[in-house]
Amino acid sequence: AQSVTQLDSQVPVFEEAPVELRCNYSSSVSVYLFWYVQYPNQGLQLLLKYLSGSTLVESINGFEAEFNKSQTSFHLRKPSVHISDTAEYFCAVSPHSGGYQKVTFGTGTKLQVIP
Amino acid sequence: EPEVTQTPSHQVTQMGQEVILRCVPISNHLYFYWYRQILGQKVEFLVSFYNNEISEKSEIFDDQFSVERPDGSNFTLKIRSTKLEDSAMYFCASSYGRVNTEAFFGQGTRLTVV
Repeated sequence: AQSVTQLDSQVPVFEEAPVELRCNYSSSVSVYLFWYVQYPNQGLQLLLKYLSGSTLVESINGFEAEFNKSQTSFHLRKPSVHISDTAEYFCAVSPHSGGYQKVTFGTGTKLQVIP
Repeated sequence: EPEVTQTPSHQVTQMGQEVILRCVPISNHLYFYWYRQILGQKVEFLVSFYNNEISEKSEIFDDQFSVERPDGSNFTLKIRSTKLEDSAMYFCASSYGRVNTEAFFGQGTRLTVV
């Protein structure tokens, strides 16, 4: 079984400041890692994913996350946030053999960008 | 851009009633899923559906729940005899493949059981 921990339920940050949203996971098998974003009144959107290869993955809107196997972490970072980044962010994992039916989500972190 | 659509966005129902939550997955996708999120809790997997049958289900998905793809485009979740604890946001998702492909999620249906 897998579990995902997002310790910060809410993260307020000023516009143009950097942000890090933390995600730790536990699993007895190899996993894929995901970050999903949910904007107000919208569905979950895949922000970025780690499947294999380079441990640093980037999204098109400036977010990046680094897979750290030894620390079992997949923290999400952005060097300079915008108002439009205000949303809830979910970290998720799935076992290599499981597919999306085995995705386990964290409880989410609400990012509030302050003008 | 293709998207998964869910209707209704909000459903209020009395305890004991049956509800049907509807989803239209992306047209060329083959795998379909339902997840739910009870307020303040994690998004939880309920069921996956492939080739017109359930491929996997969680412990949550008991006899009270059923899924159907009635007409080749819609994907429905039926909850019989709703309970207060069924109140949650229900997300539908679809993907083309089982692994290494992105799952697209709908905007969710908020179910409130009163």
